[in-house]
Amino acid sequence: GAVVSQHPSRVICKSGTSVKIECRSLDFQATTMFWYRQFPKKSLMLMATSNEGSKATYEQGVEKDKFLINHASLTLSTLTVTSAHPEDSSFYICSADLAGSSYEQYFGPGTRLTVT
Amino acid sequence: QKEVEQNSGPLSVPEGAIASLNCTYSDRGSQSFFWYRQYSGKSPELIMSIYSNGDKEDGRFTAQLNKASQYVSLLIRDSQPSDSATYLCAVIGGSGGGADGLTFGKGTHLIIQP
Repeated sequence: GAVVSQHPSRVICKSGTSVKIECRSLDFQATTMFWYRQFPKKSLMLMATSNEGSKATYEQGVEKDKFLINHASLTLSTLTVTSAHPEDSSFYICSADLAGSSYEQYFGPGTRLTVT
Repeated sequence: QKEVEQNSGPLSVPEGAIASLNCTYSDRGSQSFFWYRQYSGKSPELIMSIYSNGDKEDGRFTAQLNKASQYVSLLIRDSQPSDSATYLCAVIGGSGGGADGLTFGKGTHLIIQP
C-alpha cells in the first residue's frame, strides 16, 4: 500500500514554456499532498502543501504565480511550472500523507525537469 | 527557522558491521521524526518513523530519539552493500496542526564496503 505515482518521470522543455507534473496516490486517498524540489547534491526543500479543494500553502521564497498547484481530488495533485527558465531545472518530488499514520509521507518517484 | 543537521559523510562501514547515523534538530517543539533512504537519482523511501523517546526497532534498523538532547539516530545492523545510499533525517515541527511538510537534513552518504 501507500503507492504514489508521478508523471512524467522526465521532461525537457524550452525556456518560457509551461510544464505540468501530475502526482497521484494510487491505493489511498490523500487529503494533503506536498511538493518538494531537490537540486543536485542538495537535500529536499518543501515548496508547498496542497490540500484537496483549497488553495495551496507555499513556503517562503516560492512564487505561487510561477508554481501553480491544483489539488482537485483526493488522489490527484498537479504542479505547473509556468514560464520555465533554466534555473527551474531540478528534481520535483511529490509526497502524500497517509491519514492516520502519524504524518508518514510517501514519495512519488520524482520528475526530472530540464529547461533549455 | 527549523533546521535539521546531519554529517554529510561519506561514512564508510565494513559489510556486516553496525552503521550509526546521527541527526540533531533545532525546533524543540518537533513531534515526529523520520529516516528516509535515497539512492542516487531516486526519490526518498521511508525506513523508520519515531515519535517518543527511546528506541524503536524494525528488522535490522533501530531508530533512537532523545527529545531533551534534540537528537535522533539510526542504527543499521549487519550492514549490506545494498544499504549504501544517502540517509535523510526528516522532522515535522510542533507548531502546525494537521499534516505538515517535512524539514530534511542534507543527508549522510553511507558506503558499505564488501
